[in-house]
Amino acid sequence: QQQVKQSPQSLIVQKGGISIINCAYENTAFDYFPWYQQFPGKGPALLIAIRPDVSEKKEGRFTISFNKSAKQFSLHIMDSQPGDSATYFCAASMIGNTPLVFGKGTRLSVIA
Amino acid sequence: DGGITQSPKYLFRKEGQNVTLSCEQNLNHDAMYWYRQDPGQGLRLIYYSQIVNDFQKGDIAEGYSVSREKKESFPLTVTSAQKNPTAFYLCASSIPGQRGTDTQYFGPGTRLTVL
Repeated sequence: QQQVKQSPQSLIVQKGGISIINCAYENTAFDYFPWYQQFPGKGPALLIAIRPDVSEKKEGRFTISFNKSAKQFSLHIMDSQPGDSATYFCAASMIGNTPLVFGKGTRLSVIA
Repeated sequence: DGGITQSPKYLFRKEGQNVTLSCEQNLNHDAMYWYRQDPGQGLRLIYYSQIVNDFQKGDIAEGYSVSREKKESFPLTVTSAQKNPTAFYLCASSIPGQRGTDTQYFGPGTRLTVL
């Protein structure tokens, strides 16, 4: 049973465009929703995270939108750059050091 | 320099051999985790430990074993019982569950190849 569903599997965006990656979850006990960025051969690094008491969080060019009633959250990358080309994972966990449940990842390619 | 170190970066194993992957952290984190990454599969949890001398199985624990004798260290042994061990293995750690501090920090990974 996949608890966090991520789409699309791959995404190609023109430089300067907006990249949008979506995730849906099933477990209403989830309380923490991070996004990780991973470059080839490296470990994932936290990009931005949100809790369900807010509907949006912005950090620079990266924004998380959260819809609690629909059990969905998404990552928006504004003004996408070639350096943003990486694999992005959404995840979810319950409060209290519980393990993260990851989506299967989205491979983003930003082309000039 | 604080962080998580994993060694070796690349590891080759012959079929039937046990191998141990090292994970060390100097972040003073209580919780540590092992994930396996395969292409198109995301990250799948193997084992995790929330405190020294205690650990729990994750979703794909069969064929793996761990120990947590020290707070800083959480080695993973891939046994010969693991039928398809070729993968990228990631170790992570996090601090106790206070609101806003559940972030998991990942090491650089170990790529294991079975010959």
